[in-house]
Amino acid sequence: EAQVTQNPRYLITVTGKKLTVTCSQNMNHEYMSWYRQDPGLGLRQIYYSMNVEVTDKGDVPEGYKVSRKEKRNFPLILESPSPNQTSLYFCASSLSLPRYNEQFFGPGTRLTVL
Amino acid sequence: SQQGEEDPQALSIQEGENATMNCSYKTSINNLQWYRQNSGRGLVHLILIRSNEREKHSGRLRVTLDTSKKSSSLLITASRAADTASYFCATDARETSGSRLTFGEGTQLTVNP
Repeated sequence: EAQVTQNPRYLITVTGKKLTVTCSQNMNHEYMSWYRQDPGLGLRQIYYSMNVEVTDKGDVPEGYKVSRKEKRNFPLILESPSPNQTSLYFCASSLSLPRYNEQFFGPGTRLTVL
Repeated sequence: SQQGEEDPQALSIQEGENATMNCSYKTSINNLQWYRQNSGRGLVHLILIRSNEREKHSGRLRVTLDTSKKSSSLLITASRAADTASYFCATDARETSGSRLTFGEGTQLTVNP
């Protein structure tokens, strides 16, 4: 089944404790992206990747890191999480540029930073 | 405010009625997409309309695009309780080279049985 998977789905952590949210797609998509969703603010893009080893900042990259060492994986790293990073996170992928292609979203990761 | 803004923020209708949601944006775009999100879940793509198209249909969905007014509308005909969800428009601003979509805040649609 074609899908985007994220792990973990739920995470409660404390300020400053490094964490990684994994994202994997099995559709051989070139483009992958991370979004966060907050009430009243909609979805905001954190980082995106056009292909392996090619990443770029979105609208809200501060406090996050990403890597794209393999085509299928695009982990999101929070080196020192803070409470303002409490949010619902979505990974998405598309065949190529999102301008021309629908994005497939993962099920989301609900993160709480205490 | 954001590139894409949906209106209304919330809409409640009875099953069988039509639901219309609007999206306005600020800068010139190449394409506009609509997505649906069931509560707390990942977004699902509904339809993509290109800037040179004025109307597009997909099943019970009808999307219009007016680039002169920088607006789009999503019409769901003969709504069902299962259509209850949030609906987002996503725009692709020309200056981003197609590498990014900007999402609005969404319209929460409730269809009452």
